[in-house]
Amino acid sequence: GQNIDQPTEMTATEGAIVQINCTYQTSGFNGLFWYQQHAGEAPTFLSYNVLDGLEEKGRFSSFLSRSKGYSYLLLKELQMKDSASYLCAVRDSDYKLSFGAGTTVTVRA
Amino acid sequence: IAGITQAPTSQILAAGRRMTLRCTQDMRHNAMYWYRQDLGLGLRLIHYSNTAGTTGKGEVPDGYSVSRANTDDFPLTLASAVPSQTSVYFCASSGNEGSDTQYFGPGTRLTVL
Repeated sequence: GQNIDQPTEMTATEGAIVQINCTYQTSGFNGLFWYQQHAGEAPTFLSYNVLDGLEEKGRFSSFLSRSKGYSYLLLKELQMKDSASYLCAVRDSDYKLSFGAGTTVTVRA
Repeated sequence: IAGITQAPTSQILAAGRRMTLRCTQDMRHNAMYWYRQDLGLGLRLIHYSNTAGTTGKGEVPDGYSVSRANTDDFPLTLASAVPSQTSVYFCASSGNEGSDTQYFGPGTRLTVL
């Protein structure tokens, strides 16, 4: 099984940078995903890491260290529309996803 | 239809009643999934299907059943609803029998009284 931890809440100012950490313990690792979920909506895919290192996609970047069981999602140049929950999910060797409880990010003007 | 659709959008149900949540995708994805999302617990896998004709149990399968008669549809049935099944239910699908990214439907908000 998987044990996935991420902070419950974070607050940041518009234009700033926020880093959301995710730690995991897994019995079989086959990739790590980040999803964004606005209140009342479905999760939408943000990023995927399977090898160690940084993946950059515009204002969002995701980092993975498999040896440390650690990932982070970096949100740069924060905008009000980035206020949402961010879900860390680990995929196992059977392609099943296990999700963390999510981190609610609030962006203030 | 584009992507994944779910029906109904929301439902209030009396305890003991039978309910089927519908999920349809038009992306020809092999794999489909049902999750429930509860405050503070995140998304938990109920049942899954890697290909049409096959199903498997996830983390929280008790009280739920699924079928996968064809590629597009993956209904979730609550045989006799209980209040603890009050939740938001999301259907998801992915290609290559699950090795691709999962994409989610809009969700069904279910309240069991």
